[in-house]
Amino acid sequence: AIQMTQSPSSLSASVGDRVTITCRASQGIRNDLGWYQQKPGKAPKLLIYAASSLQSGVPSRFSGSGSGTDFTLTISSLQPEDFATYYCLQDHNLFTFGPGTKVDIK
Amino acid sequence: EVQLVESGGGLVKPGRSLRLSCTASGLTFGEYSMSWVRQTPGKGLEWVGFIRSKAYGGTTEYAASVRDRFTISRDDSKSIAYLQMNSLKTEDTAVYYCTRYYNYGYGYFDLWGRGTLVTVSS
Repeated sequence: AIQMTQSPSSLSASVGDRVTITCRASQGIRNDLGWYQQKPGKAPKLLIYAASSLQSGVPSRFSGSGSGTDFTLTISSLQPEDFATYYCLQDHNLFTFGPGTKVDIK
Repeated sequence: EVQLVESGGGLVKPGRSLRLSCTASGLTFGEYSMSWVRQTPGKGLEWVGFIRSKAYGGTTEYAASVRDRFTISRDDSKSIAYLQMNSLKTEDTAVYYCTRYYNYGYGYFDLWGRGTLVTVSS
């Protein structure tokens, strides 16, 4: 089974900060990776698919990059509504979520 | 409105069974593969299982943690996906989400229900 790791597990940031979250797969997954945002008590929301494609309706301050085993989610200028937990998900071979990265207010 | 609504959650004793339903509306349900994802309170997301659309054979896949205990099925005429959970364990306590797998070119979970809470406790 493919294992996914994320770093950091949590971070504190201020509004306007540039935030970067990384995700690593235990084996190559091409670009079969998505990023999801989850707020407390809510279902996850798709932000990025195919590693770098922005889901319709998602603000352009979110971007994704990477291929193979290493991937990155970047928020160019953190907004108040972006404080949440972020998960990567591989769908190269079945599905595996990363453990999540909680972004909270500094 | 396009939506998924889960139902059937509740309190159940260890070793017992429970069936969850995921009712879809506003979409051509039969065209899509569907999946179940769970989240233990305060923890991360765990993929549970997947059922392909009939066009892809209607076959199923499961996480190792639930294989042989959980079964996913679908009734396209009713636009419902089911998660049959047998031999439940306390560690199956979680919010269970139903999600659509959009697979036209690239695949991803683009539509989610609000979830239903399953509590396994004596």
